[in-house]
Amino acid sequence: QKEVEQDPGPLSVPEGAIVSLNCTYSNSAFQYFMWYRQYSRKGPELLMYTYSSGNKEDGRFTAQVDKSSKYISLFIRDSQPSDSATYLCAMRGGGGSTLGRLYFGRGTQLTVWP
Amino acid sequence: KAGVTQTPRYLIKTRGQQVTLSCSPISGHRSVSWYQQTPGQGLQFLFEYFSETQRNKGNFPGRFSGRQFSNSRSEMNVSTLELGDSALYLCASSLGRSGTDTQYFGPGTRLTVL
Repeated sequence: QKEVEQDPGPLSVPEGAIVSLNCTYSNSAFQYFMWYRQYSRKGPELLMYTYSSGNKEDGRFTAQVDKSSKYISLFIRDSQPSDSATYLCAMRGGGGSTLGRLYFGRGTQLTVWP
Repeated sequence: KAGVTQTPRYLIKTRGQQVTLSCSPISGHRSVSWYQQTPGQGLQFLFEYFSETQRNKGNFPGRFSGRQFSNSRSEMNVSTLELGDSALYLCASSLGRSGTDTQYFGPGTRLTVL
């Protein structure tokens, strides 16, 4: 079992829809949680970064962390065709072998059609 | 501020050859991590360098090696290339090794092994 599980999709939604992306993890040492967006033939770009359990909002994006359930989510409101990309969840710990590296989910491929 | 740069962007090699990829981090960043991305395995951690020392290593064979220079630029080398080494190789830089230090990715080097 991978340490980070993410449904690879693909996910296809109409413009304006609310998108929900999720990851689960097994390592209790993970303390920092990120969502990256990767367009085709590009490197991942950081979208959201959270530390504690709870919600963090940035424009149309909301990141949610539930450490007790080892579950993180990314919600995209009013989705746009420009949101079409692969979304990767990533996490890291605060020490030991988890320091200095990110653990990634497989990525969810999202298509938003006009 | 310039982002992470990687050279070359594309490479085609044949089995048995070796290859060296280069990464220039964001100015002031001292930590450089390398990842391999394939459709089948997603993003997998290769190794991390900080202050010219390898600090963390993923589960890859010894054919994969790297180094970091005093200006924080990093190179990774793959010897005796195999078909399965075909992948997008991503470099990420961060200020330090702390969990709060965000990793920023370059565009990647796409390696094709024939």
